[in-house]
Amino acid sequence: QQQVKQSPQSLIVQKGGISIINCAYENTAFDYFPWYQQFPGKGPALLIAIRPDVSEKKEGRFTISFNKSAKQFSLHIMDSQPGDSATYFCAAKGYSSASKIIFGSGTRLSIRP
Amino acid sequence: DVKVTQSSRYLVKRTGEKVFLECVQDMDHENMFWYRQDPGLGLRLIYFSYDVKMKEKGDIPEGYSVSREKKERFSLILESASTNQTSMYLCASSFDGLGGANVLTFGAGSRLTVL
Repeated sequence: QQQVKQSPQSLIVQKGGISIINCAYENTAFDYFPWYQQFPGKGPALLIAIRPDVSEKKEGRFTISFNKSAKQFSLHIMDSQPGDSATYFCAAKGYSSASKIIFGSGTRLSIRP
Repeated sequence: DVKVTQSSRYLVKRTGEKVFLECVQDMDHENMFWYRQDPGLGLRLIYFSYDVKMKEKGDIPEGYSVSREKKERFSLILESASTNQTSMYLCASSFDGLGGANVLTFGAGSRLTVL
């Protein structure tokens, strides 16, 4: 039972292009949606996060777009660089501090020089 | 720099062996977690702990147990390793307090191969 569905599983983008990774969730109790970035040989690290009271959050070249009615959110990487090549996980969490973070299946992103 | 340290990066064990994966964090975090990472399945929660000597089952606890005798240390135990437990294991921690539970700090992972 997958509560957070992520696509695509893998993605190849040319340097300078826009990378887009999509996620959908089912549980309307989720109220925190982070994205984690994982480089080879490293553990995942928090990249950017959004709450459902806003439709977009931007940090540098990384933007989360959030559609509450469709229960979907996406990560956009503008001007993608080879250093962005990594695995990206979307996730969701409920309001309670005891609520667990639920991860998507991951997207392996490769940026071609 | 804050750290979650997993003692073994690579382990090779035989079917039926008892396996210990150790994790230590130096951030005085209350909460600790063990995840398993498999291609196409993402990160799946095995066990977690909100306090010393406390443990809670995650989504896939079968075949695993945990121990948390000290706040900074959280161990994952495979009582009798099986080939389907070949995977990458990730330890993480988080702190209580405003927004703290929302952010996981991960270790670098322990890749276990069971032959």
